[in-house]
Amino acid sequence: GNSVTQMEGPVTLSEEAFLTINCTYTATGYPSLFWYVQYPGEGLQLLLKATKADDKGSNKGFEATYRKETTSFHLEKGSVQVSDSAVYFCAPRGTDKLIFGTGTRLQVFP
Amino acid sequence: SAVISQKPSRDICQRGTSLTIQCQVDSQVTMMFWYRQQPGQSLTLIATANQGSEATYESGFVIDKFPISRPNLTFSTLTVSNMSPEDSSIYLCSVEGAGRTNSYNEQFFGPGTRLTVL
Repeated sequence: GNSVTQMEGPVTLSEEAFLTINCTYTATGYPSLFWYVQYPGEGLQLLLKATKADDKGSNKGFEATYRKETTSFHLEKGSVQVSDSAVYFCAPRGTDKLIFGTGTRLQVFP
Repeated sequence: SAVISQKPSRDICQRGTSLTIQCQVDSQVTMMFWYRQQPGQSLTLIATANQGSEATYESGFVIDKFPISRPNLTFSTLTVSNMSPEDSSIYLCSVEGAGRTNSYNEQFFGPGTRLTVL
């Protein structure tokens, strides 16, 4: 069946550090790929998406590239801020529904 | 995107009682979903709410425990029945197919309902 494996957290970084959160998936066909973010005490927000191989999704300085050959969709940001502290969920879309990873908590300190 | 509201935002309930959570969207949507997010955990899909017909439940979830209604394209309810402390969780409504264009199956989430069962 479809599944997603996400980097375990927490990831602790200093402000302006480089961020990578790994995500790999198994799915039939060519799923659309999403990253969601959940800030403390809030609901989920769609951060970015990619719908086909080699697409790069980007938003708020975050980027992720749809890598079909490695079935990966790693999230990156060149310089994190304290306000980026949140839980990040990788979510490929299977045949008819999203499949959520376990979430990775990011903590950014000044 | 769509603006999604949920009521109540939080509640504390006694064991054995039931709670109905409402989800309202500001525009017609194709799909509505209900998720559960237990403390510190990821999201688990409970069911897909189908307009005009019975909801489609995921493995491990049953209609008697989580009855769902969807009377139109902008509104749905989830009831958590005969609650126990294990039902303490955040319950999230999600929608897909908002707006005029196909947004590649983007799903948007409501703010959630935080339920505590004593």
